[in-house]
Amino acid sequence: EPEVTQTPSHQVTQMGQEVILRCVPISNHLYFYWYRQILGQKVEFLVSFYNNEISEKSEIFDDQFSVERPDGSNFTLKIRSTKLEDSAMYFCASSEATLMTNTGELFFGEGSRLTVL
Amino acid sequence: KQEVTQIPAALSVPEGENLVLNCSFTDSAIYNLQWFRQDPGKGLTSLLLIQSSQREQTSGRLNASLDKSSGRSTLYIAASQPGDSATYLCAVKKETSGSRLTFGEGTQLTVNP
Repeated sequence: EPEVTQTPSHQVTQMGQEVILRCVPISNHLYFYWYRQILGQKVEFLVSFYNNEISEKSEIFDDQFSVERPDGSNFTLKIRSTKLEDSAMYFCASSEATLMTNTGELFFGEGSRLTVL
Repeated sequence: KQEVTQIPAALSVPEGENLVLNCSFTDSAIYNLQWFRQDPGKGLTSLLLIQSSQREQTSGRLNASLDKSSGRSTLYIAASQPGDSATYLCAVKKETSGSRLTFGEGTQLTVNP
């Protein structure tokens, strides 16, 4: 069964360093998302991406964050100058959206755990 | 701003019991509602998706209902098993298919053998 894959599964970084989290969405999906979950808290929306541009972003997604689809398969989240409070599990998700199928169902990856020291 | 609340926060039941998890949301203008399962330290597994025009969806021992006008959904689990132990998350999507999901805090379920 097709699935969303994320790398790395765990990354430890020093405060102030840049981090890139990678995702391979399901191949025929057109909407891509990043969410995060700080330990013990709700899953929070960061950004959605469609047709090679950001379609929606939350107030969390400030200038420190950026997303990119560098090729036909990868979707990346870059965090510049990481802070302690960026420590969280970051989830990538994708959903199908075509004329024939547009349920809006989201499929999530296993997550990338980011620890900022 | 959409707010999603799940009750109870935690639930512990003996194996074999039928149980109901509750989800409420403040803005009824939704596109769909999705129930997820999350095991500790793991990703989110989609269990059921209910479109705004639907009243319920079933998958195996799981049944989810949606009452959009009152802002409520329930997840019914029949004949619970220890393997059902996990956190169950409810999430609602705004008015379009590509828009964000807003999550509740989840119900942590423990099924005791």
